[in-house]
Amino acid sequence: EPEVTQTPSHQVTQMGQEVILRCVPISNHLYFYWYRQILGQKVEFLVSFYNNEISEKSEIFDDQFSVERPDGSNFTLKIRSTKLEDSAMYFCASSGQVNQPQHFGDGTRLSIL
Amino acid sequence: KQEVTQIPAALSVPEGENLVLNCSFTDSAIYNLQWFRQDPGKGLTSLLLIQSSQREQTSGRLNASLDKSSGRSTLYIAASQPGDSATYLCAVRRYDRGSTLGRLYFGRGTQLTVWP
Repeated sequence: EPEVTQTPSHQVTQMGQEVILRCVPISNHLYFYWYRQILGQKVEFLVSFYNNEISEKSEIFDDQFSVERPDGSNFTLKIRSTKLEDSAMYFCASSGQVNQPQHFGDGTRLSIL
Repeated sequence: KQEVTQIPAALSVPEGENLVLNCSFTDSAIYNLQWFRQDPGKGLTSLLLIQSSQREQTSGRLNASLDKSSGRSTLYIAASQPGDSATYLCAVRRYDRGSTLGRLYFGRGTQLTVWP
């Protein structure tokens, strides 16, 4: 069964550095999302992306964050100048149509030191 | 803002029991509701999706119902097995003002342990 793939599984970075989290959505999907889950807390929406542009972003998704679909298969989340509070599990998701289920990857655990 | 609550927070049962997990949401203007399973250190596996116009969905031993007007959904697991042990998350899709795709609002989940 097709699945969403995320790399790396774990990223350790010094505070202030930039990180890029990578995702390969399911191949025929059109809608892409990033979520995060801080340890012990709810999964939170960050951003949705469709037709090569951001459709919606949450209050968390400030100028520090950006997303890109650099080619036909990858979908990336960039975090500039990371902070300690950016430590979380970051999930990528995709769906075929807007009213269809969102399918999630296994996540990237980001640890900021 | 949409708030999603799941009760109970944790549940421990012997194998073979039928279970009901509850999810409630504060704003009934939802587009759909999705149930997920999350294993420790893993991503979310989609179990069932119920559109706002539907009352229930079934997949194998799982049955999810939706009562949009009262802001409630239940996930029924029949004949539970140790392999069902995981955290079960409920998420509602809602369109906020100016939103084009809507966003998922998640509950904290119910941590289920099924022992043999």
